[in-house]
Amino acid sequence: GAVVSQHPSRVICKSGTSVKIECRSLDFQATTMFWYRQFPKQSLMLMATSNEGSKATYEQGVEKDKFLINHASLTLSTLTVTSAHPEDSSFYICSARASLAGPRETQYFGPGTRLLVL
Amino acid sequence: GEDVEQSLFLSVREGDSSVINCTYTDSSSTYLYWYKQEPGAGLQLLTYIFSNMDMKQDQRLTVLLNKKDKHLSLRIADTQTGDSAIYFCAESPYNFNKFYFGSGTKLNVKP
Repeated sequence: GAVVSQHPSRVICKSGTSVKIECRSLDFQATTMFWYRQFPKQSLMLMATSNEGSKATYEQGVEKDKFLINHASLTLSTLTVTSAHPEDSSFYICSARASLAGPRETQYFGPGTRLLVL
Repeated sequence: GEDVEQSLFLSVREGDSSVINCTYTDSSSTYLYWYKQEPGAGLQLLTYIFSNMDMKQDQRLTVLLNKKDKHLSLRIADTQTGDSAIYFCAESPYNFNKFYFGSGTKLNVKP
């Protein structure tokens, strides 16, 4: 199946700094990427939908100035957590689809990035 | 959003069948999925079913859907140690492109 990578896999940062997480589709072009957040023993919560070449669509309650998303190419989307605080510590997972109109089951997930803010 | 609930843990012996359960709240037409997540890896789609179906079988996997009770189950026959992982149930309403995930069930297979 298709492969989606994330970098870094794990990051520790100081409170107040910004952290960038990359999501790449390695062997297909992804017009749409999704960013999820997962707290321990809880569900994956959709944060935003990232469309190549246009602004991301954020879910209710997600601060778009806090979580900056850039989908500059068909293989790369980035999530930047700005001025990170300890409550932003979480597991961030991206997924990618070749086309939003395509079959729903063709959504491929990255391995996740664990962020710890001290 | 929709509520999708799963029990957190399941432990079985190798060779036994595993049954992982999930409940959801959406009353409209919806797709229901089972994903597997191994440590350090992404979510791997195992199977999916549309809400107008009752059952789907794929090799060792059997999905049963009780639409009245909004209950979904995944049965793994002849469970192997390699099946140890976290299993996520997810729902995606027909007219939306959003996924709602359960909290995941950690399956432990004992030799």
